[in-house]
Amino acid sequence: DTEVTQTPKHLVMGMTNKKSLKCEQHMGHRAMYWYKQKAKKPPELMFVYSYEKLSINESVPSRFSPECPNSSLLNLHLHALQPEDSALYLCASSPGGLGAGDTQYFGPGTRLTVL
Amino acid sequence: GENVGLHLPTLSVQEGDNSIINCAYSNSASDYFIWYKQESGKGPQFIIDIRSNMDKRQGQRVTVLLNKTVKHLSLQIAATQPGDSAVYFCAELSYNTDKLIFGTGTRLQVFP
Repeated sequence: DTEVTQTPKHLVMGMTNKKSLKCEQHMGHRAMYWYKQKAKKPPELMFVYSYEKLSINESVPSRFSPECPNSSLLNLHLHALQPEDSALYLCASSPGGLGAGDTQYFGPGTRLTVL
Repeated sequence: GENVGLHLPTLSVQEGDNSIINCAYSNSASDYFIWYKQESGKGPQFIIDIRSNMDKRQGQRVTVLLNKTVKHLSLQIAATQPGDSAVYFCAELSYNTDKLIFGTGTRLQVFP
């Protein structure tokens, strides 16, 4: 298995909803990432997990809560989001942990719409 | 066809021609550079990478050139095909921070 998978592909939620995005990789990669991408913009880093520990939080609002249950899974819990949080949420992984300077491989993303 | 840095976000080329996409990166301490291709509705797809101790690397139909003196990176695509149509991002990474910083992107349009 040489890919990063993400579910769901699309998600529509209200501002009072609680939802979760899921990411999975079975390549044995030790670093996993969440990015946010607005239309016609480059991806922006949100969180980095290295060896299942949160290593980087790019000052993301607390309505986004990451979780790494094991080395293959990464979740992003969403609560009380705002319409401006609508975006493509991308998960990525890389072979080594933080500081290894490895290539990051991206999943297909979850298209999130907040009403 | 050639764009001159990030001031021309769209590059239009004829099928079969060579394409050159340019990128000016910001951090002289960056150690590693990657080109990604992103098709509509998909995540970024790795194309080719280059370490800072190299100035050229070739893949299948693609070549990346790195000029550290002027902090410039380019992606050359030979015999451009309709399937090459996408947005191309350069990205730089410093081993110190391990944060991947993306350029603003260039849209490549291939017409018959």
